[in-house]
Amino acid sequence: AQRVTQPEKLLSVFKGAPVELKCNYSYSGSPELFWYVQYSRQRLQLLLRHISRESIKGFTADLNKGETSFHLKKPFAQEEDSAMYYCALSGLSGSARQLTFGSGTQLTVLP
Amino acid sequence: DTAVSQTPKYLVTQMGNDKSIKCEQNLGHDTMYWYKQDSKKFLKIMFSYNNKELIINETVPNRFSPKSPDKAHLNLHINSLELGDSAVYFCASSQTSRGGGEQYFGPGTRLTVT
Repeated sequence: AQRVTQPEKLLSVFKGAPVELKCNYSYSGSPELFWYVQYSRQRLQLLLRHISRESIKGFTADLNKGETSFHLKKPFAQEEDSAMYYCALSGLSGSARQLTFGSGTQLTVLP
Repeated sequence: DTAVSQTPKYLVTQMGNDKSIKCEQNLGHDTMYWYKQDSKKFLKIMFSYNNKELIINETVPNRFSPKSPDKAHLNLHINSLELGDSAVYFCASSQTSRGGGEQYFGPGTRLTVT
């Protein structure tokens, strides 16, 4: 079984402050982890994937297999970062890959 | 150039009615999905089709029936609607069923059952 846990339902930070959104996972195989973002009244869109080790909009996320974590970080939050963030794990379900989402963290960046 | 589109965007209906939501993708992807996002914003997969074949069927009441006439379309039909069906339903697609981590989502259909 695959499981994704985002312990913080709500997170507020001030503009310019560092932000970290926590994500822990449980999966017996080799995981593929993703962060998706949903801005207010917009569709869900892919933000980051652990395979590419990229930085998007100043966000980074490192897969820590020892701690089974994939926390999302940004050194200086901006007001436009306010959104709902979902951590997701892609694992095999039969012959297909299935995305399992965490419960989401609503990030609010205050002016 | 909308990649994944859904209709309608809003749907308000009464308990007991039957309704359908349509989804189309123009990305040439093989795999399509339906997700339900509840009032607490929890997102859960319902179904997945790969080239018109059902490959993922989560624990969903059999009042929900997906239909894929071709690989670019995945529709969701709901019979005998209940209050608890009120949610936002998202359609998504991915290039293949094996590469299912990178998915493209539609704008969502907000279903309200009264």
